Amino acid sequence: DAKTTQPTSMDCAEGRAANLPCNHSTISGNEYVYWYRQIHSQGPQYIIHGLKNNETNEMASLIITEDRKSSTLILPHATLRDTAVYYCIVRVASGEGGNQFYFGTGTSLTVIP
Amino acid sequence: DTAVSQTPKYLVTQMGNDKSIKCEQNLGHDTMYWYKQDSKKFLKIMFSYNNKELIINETVPNRFSPKSPDKAHLNLHINSLELGDSAVYFCASSQPGAHEQYFGPGTRLTVT
Repeated sequence: DAKTTQPTSMDCAEGRAANLPCNHSTISGNEYVYWYRQIHSQGPQYIIHGLKNNETNEMASLIITEDRKSSTLILPHATLRDTAVYYCIVRVASGEGGNQFYFGTGTSLTVIP
Repeated sequence: DTAVSQTPKYLVTQMGNDKSIKCEQNLGHDTMYWYKQDSKKFLKIMFSYNNKELIINETVPNRFSPKSPDKAHLNLHINSLELGDSAVYFCASSQPGAHEQYFGPGTRLTVT
């Protein structure tokens, strides 16, 4: 799996957009970019994933650069409940054996009132 | 109406004991997983399992074994517990090949 690099921590004002960067310069052509988050004392929660194109769902948007070497997760209007550790994972989509995700250290996002 | 549940939530035991953590999912998924989160908050895959295939992370000691009585359950059995096994263990499930995994609330295991 390609290695990912994320800032250790970030702050964001409540109501503003939170932009979380991830560097994955060694990503290969068949590797997806996944984002999960972990709110304190809870299990990780899936946010979004993408391969080449930008993606948007009800939680967030994922912007992947054209060379795929980096991406940005955007939470459009951050709330206090978005305070969590955000993990960027790069992984080839597996078959029936399941996707064995390798979580790094992530970015600790604090949303400030 | 919990999707992935684990019991117990907390488990305190002594070194050398054998213990099990139970996991159940009501999502109808075919693949289940166990992850370990250590004191430094690193979250590592231990196993992925469906009725056809068990994939074991090579770093997992053979004292750890997943046991699946049926498709909705994947229990984690740990023999001869050691201090270093203290961690939070998360169960997860997904459809085969699916991108999204659903995680349980975790079981905090403390070995004294």
